[in-house]
Amino acid sequence: AQSVTQPDIHITVSEGASLELRCNYSYGATPYLFWYVQSPGQGLQLLLKYFSGDTLVQGIKGFEAEFKRSQSSFNLRKPSVHWSDAAEYFCAVEGFSGSARQLTFGSGTQLTVLP
Amino acid sequence: NAGVTQTPKFQVLKTGQSMTLQCAQDMNHEYMSWYRQDPGMGLRLIHYSVGAGITDQGEVPNGYNVSRSTTEDFPLRLLSAAPSQTSVYFCASSHPRLADYEQYFGPGTRLTVT
Repeated sequence: AQSVTQPDIHITVSEGASLELRCNYSYGATPYLFWYVQSPGQGLQLLLKYFSGDTLVQGIKGFEAEFKRSQSSFNLRKPSVHWSDAAEYFCAVEGFSGSARQLTFGSGTQLTVLP
Repeated sequence: NAGVTQTPKFQVLKTGQSMTLQCAQDMNHEYMSWYRQDPGMGLRLIHYSVGAGITDQGEVPNGYNVSRSTTEDFPLRLLSAAPSQTSVYFCASSHPRLADYEQYFGPGTRLTVT
């Protein structure tokens, strides 16, 4: 069965500082990997996704993520954080069980941005 | 397009009551699914549907029923609410089951069972 681990429950950074959110996954085949962001009281918005090809993936809002197969990781990065980036971030891996699209999510990382 | 809509936004039930959470999408998506979100556990798949008239169970289906009579609507029914079903429920939709197609999430329904 697939699984996702986000080791950091809560991260605090200052506005303008760089950010890296960690994600490790377990999946038997080539993974489809995603990062979603959830603002308070809102649904989930897709930041970026990795299916194949270039291991450095660019997303919306200036985010990027790097797929490292040898480390089973898909860490999310942003060079300069803005106050509006404060939210909860979820890493997910997609697998298929029968006809089900099984998106397995990590437990999330809450990001606080200090002024 | 309104995207994926969910009603109600908030609901409080007493143990044993039943109710239906509504989900609708106007993108003509074939694939729809329901997730529940609990603190520290991410989202877990409850039920899903690959098209009208076809539904199947996900990871945590017990206590929930679904049906898909139209492409647009995918209601989730709680048969006899229990406190363990207190959660935030998200509906999602996409084109075919292929991962190339992004899943779009609704804004969620926050359910409390007392």
